[in-house]
Amino acid sequence: DAKTTQPNSMESNEEEPVHLPCNHSTISGTDYIHWYRQLPSQGPEYVIHGLTSNVNNRMASLAIAEDRKSSTLILHRATLRDAAVYYCTQGNTPLVFGKGTRLSVIA
Amino acid sequence: GAVVSQHPSRVICKSGTSVKIECRSLDFQATTMFWYRQFPKQSLMLMATSNEGSKATYEQGVEKDKFLINHASLTLSTLTVTSAHPEDSSFYICSARERTGWRTEAFFGQGTRLTVV
Repeated sequence: DAKTTQPNSMESNEEEPVHLPCNHSTISGTDYIHWYRQLPSQGPEYVIHGLTSNVNNRMASLAIAEDRKSSTLILHRATLRDAAVYYCTQGNTPLVFGKGTRLSVIA
Repeated sequence: GAVVSQHPSRVICKSGTSVKIECRSLDFQATTMFWYRQFPKQSLMLMATSNEGSKATYEQGVEKDKFLINHASLTLSTLTVTSAHPEDSSFYICSARERTGWRTEAFFGQGTRLTVV
């Protein structure tokens, strides 16, 4: 069973920031937090990952709570191409996916 | 980033026939690859873990004689759906991690849409 929980769906306006939450309350000290996204009819795409500190890359930012039991993926300016299902995972491979959050972006 | 290539991207087969799906890591070596299945509007479900040079490890409820996995090299794993039936129609996705291990993220193939008629 998936160890993470996420809202089923979220909606954002184009060019606005989006904050996608994830709860991973059973995370252990060595478990990484990864985020992937999946566009329709495609395999998942890596977005970002972290262990304890907040992380930034060209795609997004990852904010990790101090107790590591939750994290937030931040898309700074949502575009129509960001519409996808976003999955957070905890731990190492094999990755176990929850239901993810379906992000809709409105023009 | 690392590239995982999956082939074919789409296949239609007759009920009772077998279908082979290939998963290749193009620019890295993968000791371990993973196979997932995804039904419409659902999440990815792990089917099996494929280890180079040894037998695959199957998740509970996945028939190893129906879903044959071969991982003969560090860059290739294959999944064969034997005696396919319409209920096997699904989106199959492979994943791999780099052998060296300093990168923790996994890379995914583009998926194979299998339709059994």
